[in-house]
Amino acid sequence: DAEITQSPRHKITETGRQVTLACHQTWNHNNMFWYRQDLGHGLRLIHYSYGVHDTNKGEVSDGYSVSRSNTEDLPLTLESAASSQTSVYFCASSDAPLTSGRSNEQFFGPGTRLTVL
Amino acid sequence: QKEVEQNSGPLSVPEGAIASLNCTYSDRGSQSFFWYRQYSGKSPELIMSIYSNGDKEDGRFTAQLNKASQYVSLLIRDSQPSDSATYLCAVVMFSGGYNKLIFGAGTRLAVHP
Repeated sequence: DAEITQSPRHKITETGRQVTLACHQTWNHNNMFWYRQDLGHGLRLIHYSYGVHDTNKGEVSDGYSVSRSNTEDLPLTLESAASSQTSVYFCASSDAPLTSGRSNEQFFGPGTRLTVL
Repeated sequence: QKEVEQNSGPLSVPEGAIASLNCTYSDRGSQSFFWYRQYSGKSPELIMSIYSNGDKEDGRFTAQLNKASQYVSLLIRDSQPSDSATYLCAVVMFSGGYNKLIFGAGTRLAVHP
């Protein structure tokens, strides 16, 4: 069965370290998204990609970067981890980009809980 | 004003009752609306999508959309303890130069036996 996986599932790191969170999907979806979820804020978009070599900033992109070298993977890098980046990170994918008309649903990975000390 | 607003709850209902979850959104031009269920410590899973005004039924779930009033709701009939979770309303909006899926903070539902 097609799926979307994330690794690691839990990560503890120190302030200032570089951290990379992996996301891998076998749906063959062109569109992939990274969100963070914090209490009281819901899910907020960090970065998204609509295809290989395409990356775009979301609403909370400062301190994060992504790269898309193939269809299956969209790794998220925290260049210099800060305590404010302690959160749960979710990767998602969809078979069509978001449009102002009808948009298809996004499917979410299991999440990565990141703690920055 | 938040772009997508939900009551945080908890909404407590007895087993077998109807649970009613509400969501309002700010962008009158939005066309796509989703309800996700999220169990504690798990990822969101889609339970309903709705695009047109009116009701959409799927088993025990009914989504209701009123674009003129800018609200979308989710009814859960014959609520079960297994329905206890946080329900996230999500709306596609054009904001900041691109389309994005905006989530509400979620309503926590507790179904008690």
